Amino acid sequence: QAQLVESGGGVVQPGRSLRLSCATSGFAFNAFGLQWVRQSPGRGLEWVASTAHDGSRKFYADSVQGRFTISRDSSNNILYLQMNSLRGDDTAIYYCVRGWHDADFMGAWGQGTSVTVSS
Amino acid sequence: DVVMTQSPLSLPVTLGQPASISCRASQSLVHSDGNTYLYWLQQRPGQSPRRLIYKVSNRDSGVPDRFSGSGSGRDFTLTISRVEAEDVGVYYCVQGSFWPPYTFGQGTKLVIK
Repeated sequence: QAQLVESGGGVVQPGRSLRLSCATSGFAFNAFGLQWVRQSPGRGLEWVASTAHDGSRKFYADSVQGRFTISRDSSNNILYLQMNSLRGDDTAIYYCVRGWHDADFMGAWGQGTSVTVSS
Repeated sequence: DVVMTQSPLSLPVTLGQPASISCRASQSLVHSDGNTYLYWLQQRPGQSPRRLIYKVSNRDSGVPDRFSGSGSGRDFTLTISRVEAEDVGVYYCVQGSFWPPYTFGQGTKLVIK
C-alpha cells in the first residue's frame, strides 16, 4: 500500500521561503514520477510541479515557475518542494501525488500539508 | 492550456438513484499515441482526493462497480448507478493528455437530497 506523508507546511510571511517534504513508502520510489498538487478554496485543484522517476525532467506551472523547485531524494524516498518568494495566492493545501502518466497518473495521494502566506 | 468544464457544479441526488457528471474539454483529449488520458477523482469531506477512474473508463482497485466512466474526444461522463451515502463529496475530472499543465475541472459537489 503506497503511503505519502507530507510535512513542512505552516504560516509564513509574503516573500519568505518554505520547504515541503513528502516521505514515501510502500512502493518502488525510483519507478514513479511524482507531483505536487495544491488546493485552495477559491481555485480548486491546481497542478504545481512534476518530476520524472529519476529526476531528469521537471515541469512547473506558470504560476510557480522560477519560484518553486521540485526535487527528490532517492536514498531516503523523499520528495521535496522548495518554495521561495511566497505570495498570498500560494496559500493552499499542498498534496504529494504519485504518478504522472498513463495508468499511474495521480494514483496515490498524501493527506496534504497546509501553507498559509500572510503578514 | 486545455480547459476542463464540469456540469453540474452541484448535484443533489436521492439515495439509490443514479447520478451523472459531465466533463467537457476545450479540445479533443486523444493523444498522438491513440490513448485518451482522462481521469476522475473523488474527494470525500475532510479527505484528500483519490482516483476512481483512469483513462476514461478503467475503475481503480477497490472502487465499487456502481462507478463507471465513459466518453471520447472532448466529452466524458462519470456515472454512479445507485448513489450511496458514502458517495457524498466532490468529483473532479483531470486531463493528462496535453501537459504541462495538467488541468482539472472545477469540481462537482454531490449531496444527498
